[in-house]
Order: sequence, then C-alpha cells, then structure tokens
Amino acid sequence: DAKTTQPPSMDCAEGRAANLPCNHSTISGNEYVYWYRQIHSQGPQYIIHGLKNNETNEMASLIITEDRKSSTLILPHATLRDTAVYYCIVTNNDMRFGAGTRLTVKP
Amino acid sequence: DSGVTQTPKHLITATGQRVTLRCSPRSGDLSVYWYQQSLDQGLQFLIQYYNGEERAKGNILERFSAQQFPDLHSELNLSSLELGDSALYFCASSVAPDLGNTIYFGEGSWLTVV
Repeated sequence: DAKTTQPPSMDCAEGRAANLPCNHSTISGNEYVYWYRQIHSQGPQYIIHGLKNNETNEMASLIITEDRKSSTLILPHATLRDTAVYYCIVTNNDMRFGAGTRLTVKP
Repeated sequence: DSGVTQTPKHLITATGQRVTLRCSPRSGDLSVYWYQQSLDQGLQFLIQYYNGEERAKGNILERFSAQQFPDLHSELNLSSLELGDSALYFCASSVAPDLGNTIYFGEGSWLTVV
C-alpha cells in the first residue's frame, strides 16, 4: 500500500525555488517524513527528515503541515545538478520507496 | 561518499548461476538494508538486518538470501539467476532501526545476467 503520493514529474527554472509536494494522509503519530533523491543510477542520497516541526539544513527545507497529512520539500535555489528523482517516504523503521517525483531543472 | 561500501561494482554472469554481493556498513552502523532496482523501476526493499538478526523482510525472492555477520558486514546471495534478476542492488546502513535514524546508501552493485 502506497503511504505517499507525489506528482510523477516537475520542472523548475535554474536559480528558482523548487517546491516538491508529498501527500501522506494516513501517516501515524510515530512516523517520520524522509526525503531522498537519486541522481541517475547513483545511490539514493539523504536530504532531510522531520516528525512534526519544519526542518532546514544546508540542502533543503522541509515544511510539514500541522495535521501532518502533507509536506513540501523546498530546494531554495535549484541548480542543474539538482535534476533527480525525489522520494518522499513515511516510515518508523524500514524505508520503502515509491515512484517519486522526477524533477528537471532547466536553464 | 556515504561510507557504505559495496562490492563488486559490476558483475556479469550467466543464467542459472549464483552470485554473492557484499556490503560493509558505515562505521558504527548496526543495521543493514538491501534494495533492488531494475531498469527504469523503483527501489524495491528486499530485507533488513540489525546486529546480525533479520529485522524486516520485503519483496525478496526465495532464490535470494542474505545474512549479516558478527563484524556487521552483510552478504546478499542470489541463486538460480534469471535474466530478470539483472538490476542494480543497493545496500544501505543506519545506526539502528529505531525511529528517526537516517539510512545511508552505497553506490550499488550492477548485476547483469546473460
């Protein structure tokens, strides 16, 4: 059963913010929201995770709605190197990946 | 570099054969995960170990098996290989399978079955 819903693809202009949405309406109280990305066939790269509060690190920001049923990953200034498949995962243990969102950053 | 090491990076073998993929987790990590990614397919969770014991099982075929050794490295054994087993196999590790622990992925082992 899919725990998350993400748009299959998105485009973003280089230098602009990329906002990637994720719906997780059945999230449980002890489940975290994780974001990973995979560039071509490289190993998935951890981006950020959160439980309830918004989080920010050097790569991105994670905004989680108050009811925790959805979240948004924000890449503040997208570059061409951010072109990748982005995965939103809801978990309290094992990481099970869905289809993700293919983000294409265009010049 | 995530600190997770996988060998071999590339492997070509014939149908019906058996191969072993090896994974060394990050220093200090006790939990190991295995994933399969076929061409243009998503990441399929296979199995997870924690400190030598199987913790969770996903879509792992009966022809496949894995184990985690006392030194915490892990091996994924694939037997009676079929053409459809050609894929990228990822290993990942985390400190522990508890809430909020981040898992880090290796660069994968490319398996081609001919």
